Amino acid sequence: DARVTQTPRHKVTEMGQEVTMRCQPILGHNTVFWYRQTMMQGLELLAYFRNRAPLDDSGMPKDRFSAEMPDATLATLKIQPSEPRDSAVYFCASGTVGTQYFGPGTRLLVL
Amino acid sequence: AQSVTQPDIHITVSEGASLELRCNYSYGATPYLFWYVQSPGQGLQLLLKYFSGDTLVQGIKGFEAEFKRSQSSFNLRKPSVHWSDAAEYFCAVGAKRDDKIIFGKGTRLHILP
Repeated sequence: DARVTQTPRHKVTEMGQEVTMRCQPILGHNTVFWYRQTMMQGLELLAYFRNRAPLDDSGMPKDRFSAEMPDATLATLKIQPSEPRDSAVYFCASGTVGTQYFGPGTRLLVL
Repeated sequence: AQSVTQPDIHITVSEGASLELRCNYSYGATPYLFWYVQSPGQGLQLLLKYFSGDTLVQGIKGFEAEFKRSQSSFNLRKPSVHWSDAAEYFCAVGAKRDDKIIFGKGTRLHILP
């Protein structure tokens, strides 16, 4: 049963530190999405890729967030420097034929 | 721009009772519509989707949804809920297949024994 995997599952860090979250999409899926979920804002799309090319990152704070797909098996989301307001659950999803499959998320706490 | 409204933040039903969760969307053309479910501490799982064709869509876990263009709605239904259905439910809309989708704020479902 193919699944999207995300690491780490939990991360606690201090303000100003760099945070890197990783996602392994399902093999063969050509789209990858990054979402952030908070109580206040709900699910927000941060960025997404098709065939490893970035299509839209308008939901991402450009000054501190960056998303990349160095290869078809890895997507990364980096925050540098991190701030307390970045505390949230970050989900990766990969998609094919109109369906997105979500990973379990990375729960980030920035102190 | 697309948008999704889920008017009910919380809904409580008794086990065995029927369920309807409301979803209204805003989009000029025929939308791609989805319902996802999220259990506590988990990612989202697709329940069902509508792209075209029959406006009554069957999904997993006994759920169904009906697309009503005239009302811009895509309500989720289940004839008899089980305690394991307690979760948060998200409606979502997209403009193109395999493109980004916009999620509603979610409806948290509580089940009374």
